Formats: sequence, C-alpha cells, structure tokens
Amino acid sequence: QVQLVQSGSELKKPGASVKVSCKASGYTFTSYAMNWVRQAPGQGLEWMGWINTNTGNPTYAQGFTGRFVFSLDTSVSTAYLQISSLKAEDTAVYYCARGGGRVAARNFDYWGQGTLVTVSS
Amino acid sequence: SYVLTQPPSVSVAPGKTARITCGGNNIGSKSVHWYQQKPGQAPVLVIYYDSDRPSGIPERFSGSNSGNTATLTISRVEAGDEADYYCQVWDSSSDPLYVFGTGTKVTVL
Repeated sequence: QVQLVQSGSELKKPGASVKVSCKASGYTFTSYAMNWVRQAPGQGLEWMGWINTNTGNPTYAQGFTGRFVFSLDTSVSTAYLQISSLKAEDTAVYYCARGGGRVAARNFDYWGQGTLVTVSS
Repeated sequence: SYVLTQPPSVSVAPGKTARITCGGNNIGSKSVHWYQQKPGQAPVLVIYYDSDRPSGIPERFSGSNSGNTATLTISRVEAGDEADYYCQVWDSSSDPLYVFGTGTKVTVL
C-alpha cells in the first residue's frame, strides 16, 4: 500500500533552518510527482510547489521562492523540504502529497501525516 | 490567480444530507477534487474528477460540477463525517497551479 511517512515535529528559533523529509513506499517513487502543502494554525491548505521525481526539477508557487528548497534522494525514495531563515509566520504543518490525476486534472491522491514546524524564540 | 469560495460552515443533523458548495469562475470547465480533513489528521481525497470516489470512500459521498458551482453531497450523514472539507482544482494559467477552496467545517448536530 502507498505510504508517505514524514519526519517528526521541529522547534526552531527565528533565523534557523529546518529540513523535513518524506519517505515514500508502496509504489515506484519516480513515477509520480511530489508536492508540498502548508497549513498554518487554524487555516486552510496552501500549495507550495512540486518536484519532478524523475529530473529533480522543482517548481515553486508564488510566495514560496527564495527560502524554500525541494530536493530528492531517489536511492531511498525520499523527498525533502528545506526552509531557511525561518520566521514566526513559517509556523505551520507541512504535508508532502503525491501528485495524482490525469493531465490538466491533477490532484493529491496520497498524503503524508504532516510535520509541525514551530518557529519561536 | 484562480479563486475558489466555500461557505465557512455547514450544520446537519445525523441521517440528513449535507451539501457543500465550491464557487469559481466557470468551474464547470475544470475537474474538481474534494478532500476531507479531520482534526489533527492529514487530508484524504474523497471525490476526484468531479464525481468519482476512491476505493474505500462510502457511496454516501457524491459530487457534481456545473457552471460556476461544484457541490459535494454527503447523504445519510454520520457523526464520523464531521470534518473540514476542501475543494481543489488544477489551473495551468494560475499561480498557484493547484488551488484549494477556503474550506468548509461540517458540524453534525
């Protein structure tokens, strides 16, 4: 069965960096895109971008350029989200989500359990 | 960017029908997906391509899409259906490419 297992909660100080991992199993990792979705406390879902698991090419949504980096280690079927120069407003749950659906009708068919990143001094 | 608007909340008695709308400009020309998110849990896909159900999702969940409104319908509502629900579309001309609705909290009375 498809599973996406994310790393545990993180507590960081402003200005620090964090790296969240998402380990996939139950399918061929390079056959599906991997997306990242943010959910701030009490707020809705916000798509951050995706990474092509074949080429490693990332695409970032508006508002997620500069401090956010998507990467892969295909040898262990794992995607990573790194956030640098953390700010208090980065406090959120971050989800990885597998890209599903046909062309021009994409969705997220499987999700990781989420990683809470808290930024506080 | 493309905007999807949902009512903040819907209340429904057990056994009744809940309807959650998702409004967007000419949304009927796009494929709409719906996610259920229970407190402290990750979202789960419950409807894709407007009206298809993934395996394991009860037949009580159905969807439709036409004009400027897509609708998620939950029939014979149960206490376990209490959750936040989000619609989502993919729009190649938008940034972001994937757009989520504002979310609807379904409360079972």
